[in-house]
Amino acid sequence: GIQVEQSPPDLILQEGANSTLRCNFSDSVNNLQWFHQNPWGQLINLFYIPSGTKQNGRLSATTVATERYSLLYISSSQTTDSGVYFCAVEPPDPGNTGKLIFGQGTTLQVKP
Amino acid sequence: DGGITQSPKYLFRKEGQNVTLSCEQNLNHDAMYWYRQDPGQGLRLIYYSQIVNDFQKGDIAEGYSVSREKKESFPLTVTSAQKNPTAFYLCATRTGWADTQYFGPGTRLTVL
Repeated sequence: GIQVEQSPPDLILQEGANSTLRCNFSDSVNNLQWFHQNPWGQLINLFYIPSGTKQNGRLSATTVATERYSLLYISSSQTTDSGVYFCAVEPPDPGNTGKLIFGQGTTLQVKP
Repeated sequence: DGGITQSPKYLFRKEGQNVTLSCEQNLNHDAMYWYRQDPGQGLRLIYYSQIVNDFQKGDIAEGYSVSREKKESFPLTVTSAQKNPTAFYLCATRTGWADTQYFGPGTRLTVL
């Protein structure tokens, strides 16, 4: 099956710094999503981005489907950005089941 | 208040007991999913359902069972056959083709 690898596994930043998180996947995918898991465990949707570039405030994401990777950019980081960031891909599926394959996550700590 | 609710938030179980985790949604979404998360890991798919009265096994279905008698509800039973049930369980929904998955707040199950 498809393998999803995220890097780096851990990241520590000072407040105000910028960062880039990477997601590599081993085969073609229908869809790709980025999530933020807060310290209480809630998964929050950040981007639904099978291809192209999207921006939402200080966050932006780019997926290059032909090269099988996606990048999540966080600018001017804040302490509330701390948590785990997951990339999840949806493999091609004739049944359109929507099954997601998750990476292991990047744990981000933003220090004040 | 719209969204996905999971109950209970915390659940403790003795070995050999079956327990049922609740997932309810009022988003009118067709598809529902159950994922399991172990410490420091990504999520893995247990079961999913695309329509009422139909459900399919995911990647780690052994020791679990589900039902989908109503569109709004997708309960997960963790049976005594599940060897390592202690984990964080997350329910998700999706409205249809090529759309984002939305996650509930999760249930933390601990086997004593």
